[in-house]
Amino acid sequence: EAQVTQNPRYLITVTGKKLTVTCSQNMNHEYMSWYRQDPGLGLRQIYYSMNVEVTDKGDVPEGYKVSRKEKRNFPLILESPSPNQTSLYFCASTLQTDRGYQPQHFGDGTRLSIL
Amino acid sequence: QKEVEQDPGPLSVPEGAIVSLNCTYSNSAFQYFMWYRQYSRKGPELLMYTYSSGNKEDGRFTAQVDKSSKYISLFIRDSQPSDSATYLCAMRLYSSASKIIFGSGTRLSIRP
Repeated sequence: EAQVTQNPRYLITVTGKKLTVTCSQNMNHEYMSWYRQDPGLGLRQIYYSMNVEVTDKGDVPEGYKVSRKEKRNFPLILESPSPNQTSLYFCASTLQTDRGYQPQHFGDGTRLSIL
Repeated sequence: QKEVEQDPGPLSVPEGAIVSLNCTYSNSAFQYFMWYRQYSRKGPELLMYTYSSGNKEDGRFTAQVDKSSKYISLFIRDSQPSDSATYLCAMRLYSSASKIIFGSGTRLSIRP
């Protein structure tokens, strides 16, 4: 089954304690992306990756890091989390074809609470 | 001004009603338009994907794009309680543009 898998699904932690949210896809997609979803603001892109070792900032990258060492994995790293990073996070992936990018497949989300 | 505006709702309608969900946008260069459905505690899933102006139908769902008015709509016929979800509109400039701009979502509830 085609899937984007995120872990953990829920996490409550404290300010300053480094954390990593993992994302893995089994569709051999080149493009992967991280979003955060906040009430009234919709989905905002944090970082994206066009392929292995190729990453770039989205609209709200401050306080986040990513890496893309393998095609299937795209972890999101919060080196020193702060309460304003409390949010619902989604990982997504898609394929680029000769007709352009296809619509993205999303994971089921990670709810992060930073106290 | 946001690039994509969407009424957050909530919108509550009785089962069997026709539902109309809408988004407006400011950038006339958008060419590709999408509707995603998001159930509680789940990620968005693609419902409809259209290019440029016109209508596209898929079962009980019809997506409509009016580029002259910078307005897109999603119609749901014979609405069911299982259609209760948040609906997100989204758009991109061109097919090779990876970036998607999302609306903030409309929460829809279908009353049995």
